[in-house]
Amino acid sequence: GENVEQHPSTLSVQEGDSAVIKCTYSDSASNYFPWYKQELGKGPQLIIDIRSNVGEKKDQRIAVTLNKTAKHFSLHITETQPEDSAVYFCAAPRGFSGGYNKLIFGAGTRLAVHP
Amino acid sequence: NAGVTQTPKFQVLKTGQSMTLQCAQDMNHEYMSWYRQDPGMGLRLIHYSVGAGITDQGEVPNGYNVSRSTTEDFPLRLLSAAPSQTSVYFCASSYSRGGAGTEAFFGQGTRLTVV
Repeated sequence: GENVEQHPSTLSVQEGDSAVIKCTYSDSASNYFPWYKQELGKGPQLIIDIRSNVGEKKDQRIAVTLNKTAKHFSLHITETQPEDSAVYFCAAPRGFSGGYNKLIFGAGTRLAVHP
Repeated sequence: NAGVTQTPKFQVLKTGQSMTLQCAQDMNHEYMSWYRQDPGMGLRLIHYSVGAGITDQGEVPNGYNVSRSTTEDFPLRLLSAAPSQTSVYFCASSYSRGGAGTEAFFGQGTRLTVV
């Protein structure tokens, strides 16, 4: 089954710097890789996702890159702001059972952006 | 837009008690799932459903039961609460996309403490 590892577990940056979070996955058949942001006291919310037919996707200050050969994908946040402080999770589907993507999550990265 | 609604938000149980965590979604999503979130362990899948009347086990199903009698509702039952079930529980729903991964929408969570 799918195994997802996420690094680092904590990340502290100065406002305006970039932040990078990396995940590796084990199932070469996985083809969908979402990133979620969880703010304190709330449920996770999708911020960006990428499918296996592309290598990079950008949305304003965030981007995700995918290396299918190496089986890893990364979240890049540029020009970080204090409101980016949160816990970020990567995920990958554990195969498909009737078309359903059973998402397996990484352990999370707590990002702190200091003014 | 209600999205995914979980009740209650907080609950304290005594060891051995049973209870049901409620989850309802108003987006007509076929897929619903339950996760538990523990410090340093990310989100772990408990049970999931691909449609009314169809459920299956996730990574950590022991001690929990589910049923899906309607598209909207997916309750999680704790049969005999144990301290190891102290956690934050999240319900999520997503739509079908012919086998491809899609965004999961999460509820706000239920913080459960078993004493």
